[in-house]
Amino acid sequence: SQELEQSPQSLIVQEGKNLTINCTSSKTLYGLYWYKQKYGEGLIFLMMLQKGGEEKSHEKITAKLDEKKQQSSLHITASQPSHAGIYLCGADMNYGGSQGNLIFGKGTKLSVKP
Amino acid sequence: NAGVTQTPKFRVLKTGQSMTLLCAQDMNHEYMYWYRQDPGMGLRLIHYSVGEGTTAKGEVPDGYNVSRLKKQNFLLGLESAAPSQTSVYFCASSYSTRGRALATEAFFGQGTRLTVV
Repeated sequence: SQELEQSPQSLIVQEGKNLTINCTSSKTLYGLYWYKQKYGEGLIFLMMLQKGGEEKSHEKITAKLDEKKQQSSLHITASQPSHAGIYLCGADMNYGGSQGNLIFGKGTKLSVKP
Repeated sequence: NAGVTQTPKFRVLKTGQSMTLLCAQDMNHEYMYWYRQDPGMGLRLIHYSVGEGTTAKGEVPDGYNVSRLKKQNFLLGLESAAPSQTSVYFCASSYSTRGRALATEAFFGQGTRLTVV
């Protein structure tokens, strides 16, 4: 969806390097979700951010939501081959409360070279 | 706990044929969604439902119909399949957040790979 812009579209990094994926919206977001998808499989939930300035971490992945709640970043520290996959950000675009209009960005394809 | 189950997992259709994809969830979720995923396009929302008996159009609804007769099931129908509908289809479900302060994550099925020839 063009309402959620992800960058970069693809990323190749050397194992052990850090990387950042961005997700930007023109609207204020009620909730911002990050999912990971391994090739040919379903989506795995990573994190959800709701408050402006919120930051969450899980293992080596950290996600942040800016104060305006329009931009989020996903940062991976010391990348590993297991981090490879497609990362998608998603958000409910019905401002003021979730009403089911859950859309996603186009995804960022991450490859990690051993 | 099965979560979100999609059937079938694979299907090949001829142009003009019809079919129904079934999504079933056992988490008592109010919201259900159908997406299609194409290379370079991410996940695009086809239709969604915020409760039994209600459906709404998403980003790419043309050529598809849906029904939510039971809370646990969400059906996606293709009345006359076209090659442009070749895709991987994902179903998802989540709790409603009406009246709640917190948003809630969506749970996804494993996908249905559909080829229209």
